[in-house]
Amino acid sequence: GAVVSQHPSWVICKSGTSVKIECRSLDFQATTMFWYRQFPKQSLMLMATSNEGSKATYEQGVEKDKFLINHASLTLSTLTVTSAHPEDSSFYICSARGAGNTIYFGEGSWLTVV
Amino acid sequence: AQRVTQPEKLLSVFKGAPVELKCNYSYSGSPELFWYVQYSRQRLQLLLRHISRESIKGFTADLNKGETSFHLKKPFAQEEDSAMYYCALGSGGGADGLTFGKGTHLIIQP
Repeated sequence: GAVVSQHPSWVICKSGTSVKIECRSLDFQATTMFWYRQFPKQSLMLMATSNEGSKATYEQGVEKDKFLINHASLTLSTLTVTSAHPEDSSFYICSARGAGNTIYFGEGSWLTVV
Repeated sequence: AQRVTQPEKLLSVFKGAPVELKCNYSYSGSPELFWYVQYSRQRLQLLLRHISRESIKGFTADLNKGETSFHLKKPFAQEEDSAMYYCALGSGGGADGLTFGKGTHLIIQP
């Protein structure tokens, strides 16, 4: 079946640095991918919709200059957290829309900013 | 605004007992409802979507537009059903992201 893979699974970075998280659709092409973040014991919150070849659409309250999204190919979207701060520490999850509009989720990436 | 409410954070039932996980939504348009399941240390997996009206692993869910609900039911719980369950609301034929409820942690006791 369709698989979405995220890398890295977990990352620790220093405050003020930038970190990139990759989301790949392994056996299908995804023109649309979605990025979510999940704080402990809370639900997934949609951050942005990533469209191949065009600018991402950000949800209200999400800083586009802080969370840079690039969807340069039909199988890869990246989320870069720029100038990370401890409050950016969270679980980031991507999903991709496949055939029949079925949404497939990645395994998530834990970001800890120290 | 879209909203999904799962009133129970935790639901514990005995093996063999019926299970019902509640989900209510708020949406002005024509909703697409989903149930996702997350087993321990695994990724989110699609369990059900209201459009397909199918039964997966014995679970069913019926969209009740009058009550704006999409409760998940299973007549006889099994231990392997223990997991986190999320109700989600979509729109735009899959073009838009999903709005998730806060999730219900289902524990099946032996």
